[in-house]
Amino acid sequence: EDQVTQSPEALRLQEGESSSLNCSYTVSGLRGLFWYRQDPGKGPEFLFTLYSAGEEKEKERLKATLTKKESFLHITAPKPEDSATYLCAVADSGGYQKVTFGTGTKLQVIP
Amino acid sequence: NAGVMQNPRHLVRRRGQEARLRCSPMKGHSHVYWYRQLPEEGLKFMVYLQKENIIDESGMPKERFSAEFPKEGPSILRIQQVVRGDSAAYFCASSPKGSEQYFGPGTRLTVT
Repeated sequence: EDQVTQSPEALRLQEGESSSLNCSYTVSGLRGLFWYRQDPGKGPEFLFTLYSAGEEKEKERLKATLTKKESFLHITAPKPEDSATYLCAVADSGGYQKVTFGTGTKLQVIP
Repeated sequence: NAGVMQNPRHLVRRRGQEARLRCSPMKGHSHVYWYRQLPEEGLKFMVYLQKENIIDESGMPKERFSAEFPKEGPSILRIQQVVRGDSAAYFCASSPKGSEQYFGPGTRLTVT
């Protein structure tokens, strides 16, 4: 069974203080790894898909990287509006239909 | 392009009643997924559908829960004889080719 573990569970940063969120996964043949952002009371918002080790993707202050066992979401010079829960998910070689989500990292950026 | 739409956004049902949750996928998306999210827990896969077909329902409880995605109209998640443990946020997602999924705002079900 696929497993996704995210750490830390919660992270509090000062505005401008860069950091990284971790996503460790166990999967029988990675088909894709996804990062989402979820604000309170809303549905997850798609950020990135990574397909193979060594791949990197960037969007504004966010950069996602992938190795064979884990993915990192690097946040550079965060702003208060980056506060949210960040979710990691994987799809295995069985196809995209059954995606396994981690429980997320709740990020709070303080002005 | 409008996003995934779900309604109602909030639904209150008494124990034993039926709950019907609706999801309209993004235009051009033919793959629909339903998830359940409990407080402090991750999103749990329930069912994956394409038009008129259930592809994978391995995450759905065997009793009281059913889902459909008809040729015309939205996808429906139906919960019969609701119990307090069914209280949760239910999210629908859609994708164009079974790749990354785009989520709706969710329906928050409260069973009293």
